[in-house]
Amino acid sequence: GENVEQHPSTLSVQEGDSAVIKCTYSDSASNYFPWYKQELGKRPQLIIDIRSNVGEKKDQRIAVTLNKTAKHFSLHITETQPEDSAVYFCAAHFSGSARQLTFGSGTQLTVLP
Amino acid sequence: EAQVTQNPRYLITVTGKKLTVTCSQNMNHEYMSWYRQDPGLGLRQIYYSMNVEVTDKGDVPEGYKVSRKEKRNFPLILESPSPNQTSLYFCASSPRGGGSDTQYFGPGTRLTVL
Repeated sequence: GENVEQHPSTLSVQEGDSAVIKCTYSDSASNYFPWYKQELGKRPQLIIDIRSNVGEKKDQRIAVTLNKTAKHFSLHITETQPEDSAVYFCAAHFSGSARQLTFGSGTQLTVLP
Repeated sequence: EAQVTQNPRYLITVTGKKLTVTCSQNMNHEYMSWYRQDPGLGLRQIYYSMNVEVTDKGDVPEGYKVSRKEKRNFPLILESPSPNQTSLYFCASSPRGGGSDTQYFGPGTRLTVL
């Protein structure tokens, strides 16, 4: 089945610096790659997603890149702010699967003031 | 307000005492699923439902049951809870399923089995 590995498990950055979280997936037929943000005590919420026919997508300070050949995708957060502190999950969907998404293990991002 | 609701939000129980966690969505979504979240393991799918009366196992279904008798409701049933089912549980729904829809998560249910 689909496997998604996420690194690092924890990440601390200074406010204003950039943060990068990386994920690899096992199934080359995966076609959809969302990122969810989970603030402390809250539910996961979608922040950005990318499909397999696109290499990069940006939304203000957040961007996601996809390398289909290497089977990895990354979340980039620029000009980090304290409110970016949260757990971030990557996920991948295998085309043709009804199982929705396979999630990575999460990255605890801490933005230090 | 469009939302996914879960009840209860917190539950402490003892081994073997049957319990049900309810999940309801008011967005007319076809697809609903249950996840458990454990430290270092991310979100793992327990069961999912493509539509009314259609359910199937996710990655960690052992010890759980579900039903989908109405489109809006998708309860999670633990017939005989055990301590290894202590976890944070999330219900989620999406318009059509198939993996390329945004998932809308409920607020979570923190379950402790003593």
